[in-house]
Amino acid sequence: QVQLQQSGPELVKPGASVKISCKASGYAFSSSWMNWVKQRPGQGLEWIGRIYPGDGDTNYNGKFKGKATLTADKSSSTAYMQLSSLTSVDSAVYFCARVGDYGGDYAMDYWGQGTSVTVSS
Amino acid sequence: DIQMTQSPASLSVSVGETVTITCRASENIYSNLAWYQQKQGKSPQLLVYAATNLADGVPSRFSGSGSGTQYSLKINSLQSEDFGSYYCQHFWGTPWTFGGGTKLEIK
Repeated sequence: QVQLQQSGPELVKPGASVKISCKASGYAFSSSWMNWVKQRPGQGLEWIGRIYPGDGDTNYNGKFKGKATLTADKSSSTAYMQLSSLTSVDSAVYFCARVGDYGGDYAMDYWGQGTSVTVSS
Repeated sequence: DIQMTQSPASLSVSVGETVTITCRASENIYSNLAWYQQKQGKSPQLLVYAATNLADGVPSRFSGSGSGTQYSLKINSLQSEDFGSYYCQHFWGTPWTFGGGTKLEIK
């Protein structure tokens, strides 16, 4: 069965960077887009970007360019997101989510459990 | 970027009632739309893809409709487990933006 296991909660200082992970299992990791989604406390979902592990191709929401960097390691079926120059507005839960291909139609059909990032001195 | 406007932002309803949530895209998204349910403190779960197709395991009381720029999620005979937040998301060119969400609460 498809599973996405994310790394644990992070407490980081303002101005620092953090790298969170999402280990995939149960499907062909290289062949599906992996997405990252941000959710601030009590707020909605924001799409950060996506990576295709097969060739490393990425697309970002313009709002997160320069903030988030997406990478993937095919050998360990793990996707990563690095967030840089952290401020309080980056405090949020971050989800990874696989995009399933339903005969040309897309949807995020499997989600990680979320990683809480708290930015505080 | 395509903007997704979801309404209402919140809804207070009773078990057994029927509700409809709508999502309007800023341009034609050709039915490239999904709906998700999120319970408090949990990850979102896929309900509907391609505007009208129920995901595996989703009860038949849920249904999706729409085309062009206007889409709806209907829930017939609300059950207690249906309360939570609902989001639409388009897949017509990146960024794949979400609607602002609808919080469904028990009356």
